[in-house]
Amino acid sequence: GAVVSQHPSRVICKSGTSVKIECRSLDFQATTMFWYRQFPKQSLMLMATSNEGSKATYEQGVEKDKFLINHASLTLSTLTVTSAHPEDSSFYICSAGTSGVKPGNTQYFGPGTRLTVL
Amino acid sequence: LAKTTQPISMDSYEGQEVNITCSHNNIATNDYITWYQQFPSQGPRFIIQGYKTKVTNEVASLFIPADRKSSTLSLPRVSLSDTAVYYCLVGGPNTDKLIFGTGTRLQVFP
Repeated sequence: GAVVSQHPSRVICKSGTSVKIECRSLDFQATTMFWYRQFPKQSLMLMATSNEGSKATYEQGVEKDKFLINHASLTLSTLTVTSAHPEDSSFYICSAGTSGVKPGNTQYFGPGTRLTVL
Repeated sequence: LAKTTQPISMDSYEGQEVNITCSHNNIATNDYITWYQQFPSQGPRFIIQGYKTKVTNEVASLFIPADRKSSTLSLPRVSLSDTAVYYCLVGGPNTDKLIFGTGTRLQVFP
């Protein structure tokens, strides 16, 4: 149980294009999903918190107009990297919170999406 | 949000027990302690979670002293496949946001 999927797993795009990444909770409902970015040999950096039916909350320094987040249902959140540039190349990981299902606050993570911008 | 401190790296040999300690001095009353494992180019995988004392599951044990200002993840008889980065995080039921620290890079040698 508590499986989170991401699609695509890997994407290569040209500079200036937009890329959409999907995050799905497969066997549970997630009112809250999170988006992280991870550069090589570094830790995960929280980008934003996505709440179903409301606007996402972005961390300081993350451009909300560049990283568009939509959480239209209890099982799907999307991250769109708009006008991508090479510096946006990174490993993007989502997670879904299962608060209330288990004791404490447990997040289950997707497998990640490798974005390469040429 | 409580900040955690872990050793940057650790080395071990196959078959040994590995203990990774995490410091979280300003943990809040409602906070739980959760450990994740991450392999390269994969998302973090939940290992174990606890609030106090000791928790054990099929892959690890988690030791939490009474003051809860630290915790120790214990991996019994590690194998080469346990080579990964291990993250300790703290968060409460009403605080969904988790902030990752540096993690501990465990290298297991044959």
